[in-house]
Parts: sequence; structure tokens; C-alpha cells
Amino acid sequence: AQKVTQAQTEISVVEKEDVTLDCVYETRDTTYYLFWYKQPPSGELVFLIRRNSFDEQNEISGRYSWNFQKSTSSFNFTITASQVVDSAVYFCALSEANRDDKIIFGKGTRLHILP
Amino acid sequence: GAVVSQHPSWVICKSGTSVKIECRSLDFQATTMFWYRQFPKQSLMLMATSNEGSKATYEQGVEKDKFLINHASLTLSTLTVTSAHPEDSSFYICSARGLAPAYEQYFGPGTRLTVT
Repeated sequence: AQKVTQAQTEISVVEKEDVTLDCVYETRDTTYYLFWYKQPPSGELVFLIRRNSFDEQNEISGRYSWNFQKSTSSFNFTITASQVVDSAVYFCALSEANRDDKIIFGKGTRLHILP
Repeated sequence: GAVVSQHPSWVICKSGTSVKIECRSLDFQATTMFWYRQFPKQSLMLMATSNEGSKATYEQGVEKDKFLINHASLTLSTLTVTSAHPEDSSFYICSARGLAPAYEQYFGPGTRLTVT
């Protein structure tokens, strides 16, 4: 079954702290994609990253970094030196080539960055 | 990246009426469009998949007679909520993709529907 679990419903950290958002996925396919999206209060989804199942290299983009580990079926997202503007809901998502690449979302983690 | 628009961005309608939401791909041809629904403080749930020129495929539990989807052209898909009720109040988001690559999907900004 295709499934994405974000166990952290809500996280609050003080500005400048580092924070990691966890994502665990389930899939039977060998070809799949993992995503992270940010949803600020405006509601519009902001694409952050896409990773395919054959590329386990970690990625860093500015203050953002992602750790993809197939051995634990996890795709965790870390924000370094958090800022108030990072406050949003973050969704981890999965799509499978055998399921028409439909994107299935986790329940999201609401992140509060306190000044 | 490619741009997907939705119209209207928000709409209020009375219970029992129908409302149409448009999803347009502005700078590419969208062979497939997806419709999602998001209730407050919840995740996005896939409602249906529409391919240009064919009938939409609905996810389990989504009433196809209530949520009519039309994808008549390569740049436009519409979702019509028929006989809307307050429980249909939600944030509706579409996404679109071209022929290839299939994993490249672009999301619209969403439409907030309130049924009074």
C-alpha cells in the first residue's frame, strides 16, 4: 500500500534553532518519487524538492537539507537556523510510477517558529 | 516552472446551488489534471484524475455525480460541485502535468469554497 507518515503533527521552535521534520513512507514499487511541499497561511503549495527512488544522495539548498534513506524508508527534512518566515505546514508526499504518478500526501507537520 | 491558475480564488455560494471551479495550465499543455480537496487543518486528499478528452477517474469515496469534472482541452479542466452543501466547504486544489515527465506536476493556488 502507498502511504506517507508524518508523525509530528505540530512543532514549535525558537528562531535560529535547527528543526527536523520526519517523513516515513511505504511503497511496493521500485520506481517512486518523494516530495516536500510548504504550505504557508495563504494556502498555495510551494514545491521544495523532488527525489527519485534511485537517487539516495542527500541534498542541501541554502538552509534546507534532506536526508533520504531507503533502508529506513525515510525522507527527513531539516531547516537550519530557522526563521519566522519558515512557519508553515510542511507536507511530505509520494508518487509511484505504477500508480499513474498520483501524488499522495502525508498529513503534514505544522511548524511554528517563535521569535 | 510551469504555471497553473485557478478561478475563482474564493467563492461563497448558497446551499443547493452549483459552483464551477476552473483550472488552467498557462504555458504548457496539460494532458492530465488532478483535483484535491483540503479541509481545514487537514491534508490534501486526491479526489479525481482527469485526462484530456476522457472521463475522469474518481478516488474511492468521492461521488462522481456530485463532483463533475470536465477536461475538454489541453489547458482547461473544470470541477463543478453540484447541489453544494455546507460540508462541501473546503479548499480545492488542482495540479496539472504534461506528457513527460509524468512526475512533474504543477499545483494551482487553490480555490476556497464556502457554502452557506
